[in-house]
Amino acid sequence: NAGVTQTPKFRILKIGQSMTLQCTQDMNHNYMYWYRQDPGMGLKLIYYSVGAGITDKGEVPNGYNVSRSTTEDFPLRLELAAPSQTSVYFCASRGTGGTEAFFGQGTRLTVV
Amino acid sequence: DQQVKQNSPSLSVQEGRISILNCDYTNSMFDYFLWYKKYPAEGPTFLISISSIKDKNEDGRFTVFLNKSAKHLSLHIVPSQPGDSAVYFCAASPNAGGTSYGKLTFGQGTILTVHP
Repeated sequence: NAGVTQTPKFRILKIGQSMTLQCTQDMNHNYMYWYRQDPGMGLKLIYYSVGAGITDKGEVPNGYNVSRSTTEDFPLRLELAAPSQTSVYFCASRGTGGTEAFFGQGTRLTVV
Repeated sequence: DQQVKQNSPSLSVQEGRISILNCDYTNSMFDYFLWYKKYPAEGPTFLISISSIKDKNEDGRFTVFLNKSAKHLSLHIVPSQPGDSAVYFCAASPNAGGTSYGKLTFGQGTILTVHP
Protein backbone atom coordinates (compact mmCIF):
# COMPACT_ATOMS: atom_id res chain seq x y z
CA ASN A 1 0.00 0.00 0.00
CA ALA A 2 2.12 2.91 -1.32
CA GLY A 3 -0.26 5.80 -0.47
CA VAL A 4 1.17 9.13 -1.66
CA THR A 5 4.56 8.98 -3.36
CA GLN A 6 6.72 12.01 -4.08
CA THR A 7 9.85 12.20 -6.20
CA PRO A 8 12.55 13.32 -5.86
CA LYS A 9 13.23 13.36 -2.12
CA PHE A 10 15.99 15.96 -2.43
CA ARG A 11 16.98 18.44 -5.13
CA ILE A 12 19.33 21.40 -5.48
CA LEU A 13 18.44 23.91 -8.17
CA LYS A 14 20.28 26.93 -9.42
CA ILE A 15 18.47 30.26 -9.59
CA GLY A 16 16.46 30.47 -12.80
CA GLN A 17 16.27 26.72 -13.41
CA SER A 18 12.99 24.88 -13.69
CA MET A 19 11.85 21.54 -12.37
CA THR A 20 8.79 19.39 -11.77
CA LEU A 21 8.02 17.75 -8.45
CA GLN A 22 6.14 14.52 -9.02
CA CYS A 23 3.29 13.25 -6.89
CA THR A 24 1.20 10.15 -7.37
CA GLN A 25 -1.37 8.43 -5.18
CA ASP A 26 -2.90 4.98 -5.43
CA MET A 27 -5.95 5.49 -3.21
CA ASN A 28 -8.24 6.79 -5.98
CA HIS A 29 -8.64 10.07 -4.10
CA ASN A 30 -10.27 12.97 -5.93
CA TYR A 31 -8.71 15.71 -3.82
CA MET A 32 -5.00 16.43 -4.05
CA TYR A 33 -2.90 19.24 -2.57
CA TRP A 34 0.53 20.76 -2.62
CA TYR A 35 1.85 22.38 0.57
CA ARG A 36 5.18 23.94 1.40
CA GLN A 37 6.77 24.10 4.81
CA ASP A 38 9.36 26.70 5.65
CA PRO A 39 11.55 26.36 8.78
CA GLY A 40 9.61 27.03 11.99
CA MET A 41 6.41 27.52 10.06
CA GLY A 42 3.32 25.52 9.41
CA LEU A 43 2.40 24.09 6.04
CA LYS A 44 0.97 26.54 3.53
CA LEU A 45 -1.26 25.51 0.63
CA ILE A 46 0.18 26.20 -2.84
CA TYR A 47 -2.39 24.59 -5.17
CA TYR A 48 -5.10 22.01 -4.92
CA SER A 49 -7.22 19.89 -7.23
CA VAL A 50 -10.68 18.41 -6.77
CA GLY A 51 -10.44 16.03 -9.70
CA ALA A 52 -8.79 15.40 -13.04
CA GLY A 53 -8.72 18.60 -15.06
CA ILE A 54 -9.70 20.84 -12.13
CA THR A 55 -7.12 22.86 -10.20
CA ASP A 56 -7.18 26.03 -8.16
CA LYS A 57 -4.81 28.32 -6.30
CA GLY A 58 -4.13 28.08 -2.62
CA GLU A 59 -2.56 30.60 -0.29
CA VAL A 60 0.92 30.86 -1.90
CA PRO A 61 0.65 30.00 -5.64
CA ASN A 62 3.09 32.53 -7.12
CA GLY A 63 6.00 30.93 -8.97
CA TYR A 64 4.28 27.56 -9.34
CA ASN A 65 2.03 25.76 -11.77
CA VAL A 66 0.12 22.50 -11.58
CA SER A 67 -1.79 20.16 -13.82
CA ARG A 68 -4.05 17.19 -13.15
CA SER A 69 -4.51 15.01 -16.19
CA THR A 70 -5.26 11.83 -14.23
CA THR A 71 -6.75 11.01 -10.84
CA GLU A 72 -3.43 9.56 -9.68
CA ASP A 73 -0.94 12.27 -10.61
CA PHE A 74 -0.58 15.89 -9.52
CA PRO A 75 2.80 17.36 -10.56
CA LEU A 76 4.01 20.74 -9.32
CA ARG A 77 6.06 22.82 -11.74
CA LEU A 78 8.55 25.46 -10.62
CA GLU A 79 9.49 27.93 -13.33
CA LEU A 80 12.49 30.22 -12.85
CA ALA A 81 13.47 28.95 -9.41
CA ALA A 82 14.21 31.60 -6.78
CA PRO A 83 15.90 31.31 -3.33
CA SER A 84 12.51 32.07 -1.73
CA GLN A 85 11.31 28.71 -3.06
CA THR A 86 13.79 26.85 -0.87
CA SER A 87 11.45 24.76 1.24
CA VAL A 88 10.10 21.30 1.92
CA TYR A 89 7.21 20.43 -0.37
CA PHE A 90 4.48 18.01 0.61
CA CYS A 91 1.86 16.47 -1.62
CA ALA A 92 -1.32 15.14 -0.03
CA SER A 93 -4.55 13.50 -1.08
CA ARG A 94 -8.00 12.94 0.42
CA GLY A 95 -11.06 11.04 -0.58
CA THR A 96 -14.22 13.01 -1.36
CA GLY A 97 -16.03 11.56 1.63
CA GLY A 98 -12.97 11.39 3.82
CA THR A 99 -12.01 13.63 6.67
CA GLU A 100 -8.22 13.56 6.78
CA ALA A 101 -5.53 14.08 4.18
CA PHE A 102 -2.68 11.63 3.62
CA PHE A 103 0.74 13.09 3.01
CA GLY A 104 3.76 12.03 1.03
CA GLN A 105 7.28 11.97 2.50
CA GLY A 106 8.16 15.37 1.11
CA THR A 107 10.68 16.86 -1.31
CA ARG A 108 13.43 19.03 0.18
CA LEU A 109 14.31 21.68 -2.40
CA THR A 110 17.22 24.09 -2.14
CA VAL A 111 17.64 26.93 -4.62
CA VAL A 112 21.15 28.41 -4.75
CA ASP B 1 -2.55 36.87 9.38
CA GLN B 2 -1.99 33.63 11.29
CA GLN B 3 -5.43 32.05 11.56
CA VAL B 4 -4.18 29.01 13.45
CA LYS B 5 -1.57 29.53 16.15
CA GLN B 6 0.46 27.18 18.27
CA ASN B 7 2.16 29.53 20.68
CA SER B 8 4.50 27.00 22.26
CA PRO B 9 7.37 26.15 19.88
CA SER B 10 8.46 23.29 22.11
CA LEU B 11 7.40 21.15 25.06
CA SER B 12 9.47 18.79 27.16
CA VAL B 13 7.80 16.07 29.23
CA GLN B 14 8.89 13.10 31.30
CA GLU B 15 7.89 9.63 30.15
CA GLY B 16 4.62 8.53 31.72
CA ARG B 17 3.39 12.07 32.38
CA ILE B 18 0.77 13.99 30.47
CA SER B 19 1.63 16.10 27.41
CA ILE B 20 -0.71 18.99 26.63
CA LEU B 21 -0.35 20.76 23.31
CA ASN B 22 -2.38 23.87 22.66
CA CYS B 23 -3.79 25.55 19.57
CA ASP B 24 -5.78 28.75 19.05
CA TYR B 25 -7.69 29.86 15.99
CA THR B 26 -9.26 33.12 14.88
CA ASN B 27 -11.48 32.18 11.93
CA SER B 28 -15.05 31.53 13.11
CA MET B 29 -15.72 29.59 9.91
CA PHE B 30 -13.43 26.76 11.00
CA ASP B 31 -15.50 23.85 12.22
CA TYR B 32 -13.28 20.83 11.75
CA PHE B 33 -9.93 20.42 13.45
CA LEU B 34 -7.15 17.89 13.09
CA TRP B 35 -3.85 17.05 14.74
CA TYR B 36 -0.97 15.73 12.69
CA LYS B 37 2.29 14.25 13.93
CA LYS B 38 5.52 14.61 12.00
CA TYR B 39 8.82 12.83 12.40
CA PRO B 40 12.00 14.23 10.80
CA ALA B 41 12.32 13.51 7.08
CA GLU B 42 8.76 12.14 6.92
CA GLY B 43 5.42 13.59 5.91
CA PRO B 44 2.78 14.51 8.50
CA THR B 45 0.58 11.63 9.62
CA PHE B 46 -2.96 12.06 10.85
CA LEU B 47 -3.44 11.60 14.57
CA ILE B 48 -6.91 12.63 15.67
CA SER B 49 -9.66 15.05 14.68
CA ILE B 50 -12.72 16.74 16.12
CA SER B 51 -15.81 18.32 14.66
CA SER B 52 -17.23 21.52 16.10
CA ILE B 53 -20.37 19.68 17.18
CA LYS B 54 -18.26 17.90 19.81
CA ASP B 55 -16.12 19.16 22.65
CA LYS B 56 -14.03 16.03 23.12
CA ASN B 57 -12.76 13.14 21.05
CA GLU B 58 -10.67 10.31 22.41
CA ASP B 59 -8.55 7.68 20.70
CA GLY B 60 -6.44 5.55 22.97
CA ARG B 61 -3.81 7.70 24.66
CA PHE B 62 -4.82 10.76 22.63
CA THR B 63 -7.67 13.11 23.48
CA VAL B 64 -8.55 16.35 21.74
CA PHE B 65 -10.62 18.99 23.51
CA LEU B 66 -12.39 21.84 21.73
CA ASN B 67 -13.57 25.06 23.36
CA LYS B 68 -15.47 26.90 20.63
CA SER B 69 -16.23 29.98 22.67
CA ALA B 70 -12.53 30.47 23.37
CA LYS B 71 -11.52 29.30 19.88
CA HIS B 72 -9.08 26.95 21.51
CA LEU B 73 -8.24 23.30 21.21
CA SER B 74 -5.77 21.08 22.98
CA LEU B 75 -4.27 17.65 22.50
CA HIS B 76 -3.64 15.51 25.57
CA ILE B 77 -1.32 12.54 25.42
CA VAL B 78 -1.51 10.24 28.44
CA PRO B 79 0.81 8.58 29.26
CA SER B 80 3.52 10.13 27.14
CA GLN B 81 6.09 7.81 25.60
CA PRO B 82 9.53 8.52 24.08
CA GLY B 83 8.16 7.44 20.69
CA ASP B 84 5.73 10.36 20.87
CA SER B 85 8.66 12.76 20.41
CA ALA B 86 7.84 14.57 17.17
CA VAL B 87 6.46 17.83 15.80
CA TYR B 88 2.71 18.19 16.30
CA PHE B 89 0.68 20.35 13.96
CA CYS B 90 -2.80 21.63 14.59
CA ALA B 91 -4.87 22.16 11.42
CA ALA B 92 -8.32 23.57 10.73
CA SER B 93 -10.85 23.50 7.91
CA PRO B 94 -14.12 25.39 7.30
CA ASN B 95 -15.82 22.03 7.05
CA ALA B 96 -14.85 18.39 6.66
CA GLY B 97 -15.76 18.42 2.99
CA GLY B 98 -18.13 20.63 1.06
CA THR B 99 -16.86 23.73 -0.65
CA SER B 100 -13.67 23.87 1.41
CA TYR B 101 -12.54 20.71 -0.42
CA GLY B 102 -10.58 19.68 2.63
CA LYS B 103 -8.15 22.56 2.41
CA LEU B 104 -6.27 22.88 5.68
CA THR B 105 -4.80 25.84 7.54
CA PHE B 106 -1.92 24.76 9.75
CA GLY B 107 -0.37 26.10 12.91
CA GLN B 108 3.39 26.50 13.21
CA GLY B 109 3.88 23.25 15.07
CA THR B 110 5.08 22.28 18.54
CA ILE B 111 8.15 20.12 19.04
CA LEU B 112 7.37 17.56 21.72
CA THR B 113 10.25 15.81 23.46
CA VAL B 114 9.45 12.97 25.84
CA HIS B 115 12.38 12.06 28.08
CA PRO B 116 12.82 8.46 29.31
